[in-house]
Amino acid sequence: EDKVVQSPLSLVVHEGDTVTLNCSYEVTNFRSLLWYKQEKKAPTFLFMLTSSGIEKKSGRLSSILDKKELFSILNITATQTGDSAVYLCAALSAGGAGKSTFGDGTTLTVKP
Amino acid sequence: SQTIHQWPATLVQPVGSPLSLECTVEGTSNPNLYWYRQAAGRGLQLLFYSVGIGQISSEVPQNLSASRPQDRQFILSSKKLLLSDSGFYLCAWNPGGNTEAFFGQGTRLTVV
Repeated sequence: EDKVVQSPLSLVVHEGDTVTLNCSYEVTNFRSLLWYKQEKKAPTFLFMLTSSGIEKKSGRLSSILDKKELFSILNITATQTGDSAVYLCAALSAGGAGKSTFGDGTTLTVKP
Repeated sequence: SQTIHQWPATLVQPVGSPLSLECTVEGTSNPNLYWYRQAAGRGLQLLFYSVGIGQISSEVPQNLSASRPQDRQFILSSKKLLLSDSGFYLCAWNPGGNTEAFFGQGTRLTVV
């Protein structure tokens, strides 16, 4: 059975802190690892990682994939209150159906 | 540009009543379509996916069914709701292959 595990499940930090969110996966026919941000309703896409060791970066957010250790991290530097959200990690399987297996998410709370 | 519409946003239904949630996608053709359910504090569980009209794959045994009567329309149904059907339901699409999913705003279903 395909499995994605995220840690920690919740995290409370203060503005300006740096956080690291973790995601491990065991998925047959793995293709890519995706990160989403969910604030209220619809998750919104952050990153897709297909190759090991290549960092993806967008502003204060960055992410990297280790396909040997089946692991990915999402880093957020200089956190702001607007970063408060649930961060979801998903493993995309190969094949035309484009199925993803999601972790339970990390709930990040950034306090002023 | 592509958009996804999902309705209703919230729904309160008595146990034993029927259910119909609708999702439509605009601006693309032959999308992969997905229904997910999210329990409180949990990640997204894939319920159904469809790669074409009339083609439905079920991921978990349950009290729900899905149909795709048109290329860009995906419907989630139940003949008789159970209390355990309560949750947050998300419709999503992707164009297939190695791409992220795009989500609707979700339906919060409460079965009473």
